[in-house]
Amino acid sequence: GQSLEQPSEVTAVEGAIVQINCTYQTSGFYGLSWYQQHDGGAPTFLSYNALDGLEETGRFSSFLSRSDSYGYLLLQELQMKDSASYFCAVRDPSSGGSYIPTFGRGTSLIVHP
Amino acid sequence: DGGITQSPKYLFRKEGQNVTLSCEQNLNHDAMYWYRQDPGQGLRLIYYSQIVNDFQKGDIAEGYSVSREKKESFPLTVTSAQKNPTAFYLCASSIDLGNTEAFFGQGTRLTVV
Repeated sequence: GQSLEQPSEVTAVEGAIVQINCTYQTSGFYGLSWYQQHDGGAPTFLSYNALDGLEETGRFSSFLSRSDSYGYLLLQELQMKDSASYFCAVRDPSSGGSYIPTFGRGTSLIVHP
Repeated sequence: DGGITQSPKYLFRKEGQNVTLSCEQNLNHDAMYWYRQDPGQGLRLIYYSQIVNDFQKGDIAEGYSVSREKKESFPLTVTSAQKNPTAFYLCASSIDLGNTEAFFGQGTRLTVV
């Protein structure tokens, strides 16, 4: 089995930096992914970390520490359009040996002007 | 343009009726998934399919059924046995079950009255 924990809500002001944390407990670990979902829309893939360290993609960065079972998504130069829910996800090795994306409950990011 | 399409976007049904949600993808992906999203619950896996004519139950399969007769299509039927069917349903696909990136449809919001 597996579980993922992330804060339910984070607020920040435009132009600031915000960090969304994710801790996980899994029977096996095959990397941590992050998705963004605007209200009522489709989740979209942001990043994936298989190894320890920081991955940077423009204003967004994602970090992983496998020894701590912990990762975070860092959003810089926040814009109003970044207001959305952010989900961390791990791949769950099911009993059949397959690897199904399993999602946390999501963090609602509210960006204020 | 390649993508994954869910229809309809909004669906209303009377209690006790079965209803089928459509999901079509033209990404040539082998793996497809159905998730249910409720407020504060994140995404929970209903069913997944690794390949045509094969599908497996997820964490909350009771009251749902699926088929995978074509690679492009993975319809979900919400049966009258599902005790609380009102929810936002998301279909997703990935190249295969081992791939780290899932592509999502825009979702179907089902309301049972």
